[in-house]
Amino acid sequence: GQNIDQPTEMTATEGAIVQINCTYQTSGFNGLFWYQQHAGEAPTFLSYNVLDGLEEKGRFSSFLSRSKGYSYLLLKELQMKDSASYLCAVRDGNYQLIWGAGTKLIIKP
Amino acid sequence: NAGVTQTPKFRVLKTGQSMTLLCAQDMNHEYMYWYRQDPGMGLRLIHYSVGEGTTAKGEVPDGYNVSRLKKQNFLLGLESAAPSQTSVYFCASSDLTGGGSGANVLTFGAGSRLTVL
Repeated sequence: GQNIDQPTEMTATEGAIVQINCTYQTSGFNGLFWYQQHAGEAPTFLSYNVLDGLEEKGRFSSFLSRSKGYSYLLLKELQMKDSASYLCAVRDGNYQLIWGAGTKLIIKP
Repeated sequence: NAGVTQTPKFRVLKTGQSMTLLCAQDMNHEYMYWYRQDPGMGLRLIHYSVGEGTTAKGEVPDGYNVSRLKKQNFLLGLESAAPSQTSVYFCASSDLTGGGSGANVLTFGAGSRLTVL
């Protein structure tokens, strides 16, 4: 079967750096997405990786290794507003999106 | 910029009742989707549409029906609600940019919280 694994919850300190990992096993691969979801709100798009390597967007970066079935989302200079769930999703060989359960990130002052 | 609008935001039903969730998008997107989100699980696709007049089953379609009579609207119906359908429902839309190779980013509505007693 197809599977996306992420840690359920992580805690970090304001101003610090945190790395959220995502491992996947899917039938084929056509891209990996990260979305942010604040409590009670809709998911919003953060990043997209289809080739190996690091994509940087301001304080957020996303890394992909297709051979390892692995990605991470790196958040720098953490702010309280970064407290949210981070969803990893993989588009499989049939172009269907498979979603992880999400990682709840708690930021402490 | 309204984006994707879902109504209602909250609803409580009794087992066996029927209801329709409405999704409207103003971005002229071709693709529309209905997902459900349950604690501890990833988003699960219920039904989707690749254009006006088309619908297709997703991962968990049983107990739901959909219609896409107009490009901007995608309706999700529950004919006979069951407690297992208690969930948060999200509608999303995307365009055809990049097709299978591009990002095809989803824009989500704010969600509809449904409780079935």
